[in-house]
Amino acid sequence: SQQGEEDPQALSIQEGENATMNCSYKTSINNLQWYRQNSGRGLVHLILIRSNEREKHSGRLRVTLDTSKKSSSLLITASRAADTASYFCATASGYSTLTFGKGTMLLVSP
Amino acid sequence: GAVVSQHPSWVICKSGTSVKIECRSLDFQATTMFWYRQFPKQSLMLMATSNEGSKATYEQGVEKDKFLINHASLTLSTLTVTSAHPEDSSFYICSASISGLEYQETQYFGPGTRLLVL
Repeated sequence: SQQGEEDPQALSIQEGENATMNCSYKTSINNLQWYRQNSGRGLVHLILIRSNEREKHSGRLRVTLDTSKKSSSLLITASRAADTASYFCATASGYSTLTFGKGTMLLVSP
Repeated sequence: GAVVSQHPSWVICKSGTSVKIECRSLDFQATTMFWYRQFPKQSLMLMATSNEGSKATYEQGVEKDKFLINHASLTLSTLTVTSAHPEDSSFYICSASISGLEYQETQYFGPGTRLLVL
């Protein structure tokens, strides 16, 4: 069964704007991960945040985690057309197994 | 580093035939490999977890006799869709995690295999 639920389902912005995607989950987790998928391709791992962490940065990406609300957000700053993709959150309750959310489709227009 | 390949990248077959998909970790040893299925515009659904040298663990609702998984070495896992039917048409993605407990948190994904059963 799916654990994570992304919000919004789709997001359309202009280049240079920031994009924020949210993920909610239901059970306790060890870590939460964000992945990116270009159309018809495999997934690329973006960032992992552990349950004892609240915020993490990687380049233009910023991820927050609120375990009390069972939610996470992914912020992409100064978006580019090349950021157009689907973004998935995935939760890990034990080692190895990931449960993916439904994803957010991001469209960044030039 | 941590590159995973899949072969073939796409396959079209007739109903009733079997199709084998290979998943290889190119530059690392993968104790565990995972097979996912993804329908258009939907999320990834885990089908099975495969550990080298042992039987795969299938998720609820996944027929083990239909989706045969073999993990013969630390760098190769195969998924065979037996007696494929049109409803098996989907995007199949494998992933691998690096050996060593501290590395198992991250999965590295292959590029996927698109299967179309006519």
